Amino acid sequence: GAVVSQHPSRVICKSGTSVKIECRSLDFQATTMFWYRQFPKKSLMLMATSNEGSKATYEQGVEKDKFLINHASLTLSTLTVTSAHPEDSSFYICSASRGSSGANVLTFGAGSRLTVL
Amino acid sequence: AQKVTQAQTEISVVEKEDVTLDCVYETRDTTYYLFWYKQPPSGELVFLIRRNSFDEQNEISGRYSWNFQKSTSSFNFTITASQVVDSAVYFCALSDLNQGGKLIFGQGTELSVKP
Repeated sequence: GAVVSQHPSRVICKSGTSVKIECRSLDFQATTMFWYRQFPKKSLMLMATSNEGSKATYEQGVEKDKFLINHASLTLSTLTVTSAHPEDSSFYICSASRGSSGANVLTFGAGSRLTVL
Repeated sequence: AQKVTQAQTEISVVEKEDVTLDCVYETRDTTYYLFWYKQPPSGELVFLIRRNSFDEQNEISGRYSWNFQKSTSSFNFTITASQVVDSAVYFCALSDLNQGGKLIFGQGTELSVKP
């Protein structure tokens, strides 16, 4: 079955530093990847959609200069939280799809818990 | 606009009880897909089911069953004879055919099954 690996699973950093989270599709080519953010006991909020080889499409209210998304290959997308602050602490989850149709079942990574001190 | 509402924030049941998780959705599209995902304490989302808007047949998979009713825009999920391992947060989600595959999630229902 489809497997998505997300790394790191947990990261603690100091305020002002940048953190990179990787999302890899291990056994399929993911033309589209999605990044979600989840606050404690809250729903998943879509941050952005990334398509291989093109710029990410950010949802309204998401700072694209703060959350840099790169989808350089069909198996890898990265989310970089730049100049992280405590309010960026959250659970970040990526998902990957073989295509851009709403019929596709997304495969989710295990998530990355970011804590900014 | 798309929207998914799970009105039940938390549900607590005793093992072996049946429990139904409600999901109501809104969309203007005629072709769309509905999903249920389970999120155990580990955090990883586990896919449970996908239904398309043209298939209103109810589905049963073991102790799980789903009731899709377009007339009320609902896609409810029932767990029969619940078990402690069913304790998790359950999310209902919606995807339109032409929205690039992105999922819109409901608020989630935290199910606690006590022994």
